[in-house]
Amino acid sequence: SQTIHQWPATLVQPVGSPLSLECTVEGTSNPNLYWYRQAAGRGLQLLFYSVGIGQISSEVPQNLSASRPQDRQFILSSKKLLLSDSGFYLCAWSSTAISYEQYFGPGTRLTVT
Amino acid sequence: EDQVTQSPEALRLQEGESSSLNCSYTVSGLRGLFWYRQDPGKGPEFLFTLYSAGEEKEKERLKATLTKKESFLHITAPKPEDSATYLCAVPSFVTDKLIFGTGTRLQVFP
Repeated sequence: SQTIHQWPATLVQPVGSPLSLECTVEGTSNPNLYWYRQAAGRGLQLLFYSVGIGQISSEVPQNLSASRPQDRQFILSSKKLLLSDSGFYLCAWSSTAISYEQYFGPGTRLTVT
Repeated sequence: EDQVTQSPEALRLQEGESSSLNCSYTVSGLRGLFWYRQDPGKGPEFLFTLYSAGEEKEKERLKATLTKKESFLHITAPKPEDSATYLCAVPSFVTDKLIFGTGTRLQVFP
């Protein structure tokens, strides 16, 4: 069965510091991968998605970037965090065959102070 | 514009008191409607996929139904462990990305 991991689970970072969140998927190959942000009381906002190694599409212009160095690894980064980057970050995967049926990881709670 | 609206925002039920959550959608062409359950501080857990009007899916005390304009998540005789936020989503016909509603926060009291 497929499993998706995210770490760290929680993170408190000062403004201006760098960020690296990691997501890995097990039990499947060549998945579509997604990064979402969820703000309190709001829907999930798609940030980035990837259909393959090195292929990243950005949905929202922002202070963040994403990379996919390996087939089942997806990384969310920032060089300098802003207060507005605080939120709950979720990684998700889907198969290429059923791309709309997405499965989420446990999430990372990021607080920028 | 593609849109998903969920109602009510919050719902408080007594244990055993059945009710329904609504997900209204506006998309040019429906390519599936997805229900998720999200517990506080956790990622959404996939529940159901519905593809066509009239389709129904069941899981324990939950039953999801679909019409051409909306979906309902019926909760029969809920228990406190059913307390969670329930999200629905549809793929945008324009952008091909999932559009999520803001969810219904369900609280079931013993």
